[in-house]
Amino acid sequence: NAGVMQNPRHLVRRRGQEARLRCSPMKGHSHVYWYRQLPEEGLKFMVYLQKENIIDESGMPKERFSAEFPKEGPSILRIQQVVRGDSAAYFCASSPSSGFGETQYFGPGTRLLVL
Amino acid sequence: GQNIDQPTEMTATEGAIVQINCTYQTSGFNGLFWYQQHAGEAPTFLSYNVLDGLEEKGRFSSFLSRSKGYSYLLLKELQMKDSASYLCAVREGRLDSNYQLIWGAGTKLIIKP
Repeated sequence: NAGVMQNPRHLVRRRGQEARLRCSPMKGHSHVYWYRQLPEEGLKFMVYLQKENIIDESGMPKERFSAEFPKEGPSILRIQQVVRGDSAAYFCASSPSSGFGETQYFGPGTRLLVL
Repeated sequence: GQNIDQPTEMTATEGAIVQINCTYQTSGFNGLFWYQQHAGEAPTFLSYNVLDGLEEKGRFSSFLSRSKGYSYLLLKELQMKDSASYLCAVREGRLDSNYQLIWGAGTKLIIKP
């Protein structure tokens, strides 16, 4: 039973390029969460999605960032025109539902480095 | 406002016991999670508390006092592999943020032989 999968694990981009991060939730999970983590800091919530719907994007910058979770295929976090401040680890988590106490299971993360 | 406080770093000796504290101030409360995160890896779930009291799971126990906005994670019989960051996260109780976990910055635990 595969866990949450993310790819790529490491991504290097030059300023102004686009970064596309993928997340495949655990089998049977239909809820996906994206987080950003800077070194020595905690996780910062970005966006919560269900299949084909964005439920809460209050933690995601309104410019340059977008997320989707299509009916088929992985969830995608897209960062356009990357800047050095976007360098961070981006974690995806999934859960089977959003009920109280539902545990979120994390993927290994994508480490984005913007040169 | 929202605030989760944990010590930045703690050091303990192999075989000993360590208690990592977490205090929180949030708009509401619907449960507290503890996760373990080894350097460069994903956070992994350790425990969940929603009612006051102690939850024991092997060498790890987690305690919650809702009236005090306080939790701790207790690790017994420490092993070198327990060296990691321990993250405290609170699920808020606001109707418009029922899905969000508010995360502390984590406590880096260093185990010495």
